[in-house]
Amino acid sequence: QVQLQESGPGLVKPSQTLSLTCTVSGGSISSGSYYWSWIRQPAGKGLEWIGRIYTSGSTNYNPSLKSRVTISVDTSKNQFSLKLSSVTAADTAVYYCARDPIVGATPDYWGQGTLVTVSS
Amino acid sequence: AIQMTQSPSSLSASVGDRVTITCRASQGIRNDLGWYQQKPGKAPKLLIYAASSLQSGVPSRFSGSGSGTDFTLTISSLQPEDFATYYCLQDYNYPFTFGPGTKVDIK
Repeated sequence: QVQLQESGPGLVKPSQTLSLTCTVSGGSISSGSYYWSWIRQPAGKGLEWIGRIYTSGSTNYNPSLKSRVTISVDTSKNQFSLKLSSVTAADTAVYYCARDPIVGATPDYWGQGTLVTVSS
Repeated sequence: AIQMTQSPSSLSASVGDRVTITCRASQGIRNDLGWYQQKPGKAPKLLIYAASSLQSGVPSRFSGSGSGTDFTLTISSLQPEDFATYYCLQDYNYPFTFGPGTKVDIK
């Protein structure tokens, strides 16, 4: 069964870049049958879709974050990554990575999430 | 972006109750809608995709219906483990958007 695990710093200073990696196990990120997504959730609030990437490197981003977001994939490591630049306290959230089937598109498997706090 | 609304925002129910949650899209999204269950401190769990398809391993007491702009999630007989927050998600077009959530708690 596929598993996803987020990793990265839990504390980022304002104006710096948040960097997270999602490691996929139990399946190949290169299978071609899935997109790979990032979603976040501020404490006590709802879910926000950040963007996703296909194995080819093709990406789609939320326009609300587009100027600051980069999602990339490293098929050799079976990982994909999120970079969010110029962070503020408003970017403090639990960040989830997820797998989206090509057919259906609804994210089905999620990582457990990682809390990133933006603070000096 | 497509706006998703949910009603009610919260509800109190008893074990064994039939529970219905509604999700409405600001424009037609065919049947490109999923439902998630989230418990505190946990990642969302996919229950329903394509508006009415039950995700593998999800109990059959969960069902989804609707198309276009109006959708429902029904729990036929609420169980103790179903007390959680439920979200809908449209994956019709970018950016994907979630509803604000419906919290189901114990009456």
